[in-house]
Amino acid sequence: EVQLLESGGGLVQPGESLRLSCAASGFAFSNYGMAWVRLAPGKGLEYLSAISGSGETTFYADSVKGRLTISRDNSKNSLFLQVHSLRADDTAIYYCAKEQGFRLPFDHWGQGVLVTVSS
Amino acid sequence: EVVLTQSPATLSLSAGERATLSCRASQGVSNFLAWYQQKPGQSPRLLIYEASNRGAGIPDRFSGSGSGTDFTLTISSLEPDDSAVYYCQQRISGWTFGPGTRVEIK
Repeated sequence: EVQLLESGGGLVQPGESLRLSCAASGFAFSNYGMAWVRLAPGKGLEYLSAISGSGETTFYADSVKGRLTISRDNSKNSLFLQVHSLRADDTAIYYCAKEQGFRLPFDHWGQGVLVTVSS
Repeated sequence: EVVLTQSPATLSLSAGERATLSCRASQGVSNFLAWYQQKPGQSPRLLIYEASNRGAGIPDRFSGSGSGTDFTLTISSLEPDDSAVYYCQQRISGWTFGPGTRVEIK
């Protein structure tokens, strides 16, 4: 059974940085692209960043480019997202998601982790 | 960037009725279009991929159609549990979600 478990969320102050983690199990992790998507209060789903199975290729949404760093450790079946210079509008539930395959959608999602940016 | 628009923003129907949700792309995405369902407090669930293929375990009252720029998600007979927000997503150029359609069951 595929499982994705995010961690690392919480309350942070504006301007701080945060590192989110996603522990994956139940599938051949290195064979699949992974991504981060968020859901802000009152908003819709927003794609943030994706990474290839090997980790060699990364992608970022224009809206967050420069403030996010995605990475993965295939030896530990783990996905990461570093978010810098956090702002109030970064407050959201952050999900990690597994790609179904090349040019295919996300077939499995984690339960999400809440990040609240407030002073 | 491919922009997706969804209509209507909200759909309010009775159980047993047919729901028709629309997703339009700003440029052609071939059939690289998916639909997700998200209920409050839950993670998104993949319903449809490649425009018309049902995801694992998805009942056949959910169906997708379309190609190019215009797509439709149809729920043939609404059940109370179908109350959720439905998002389309394209995968031909990067990743983009539509703004969502909220389905309410009267």
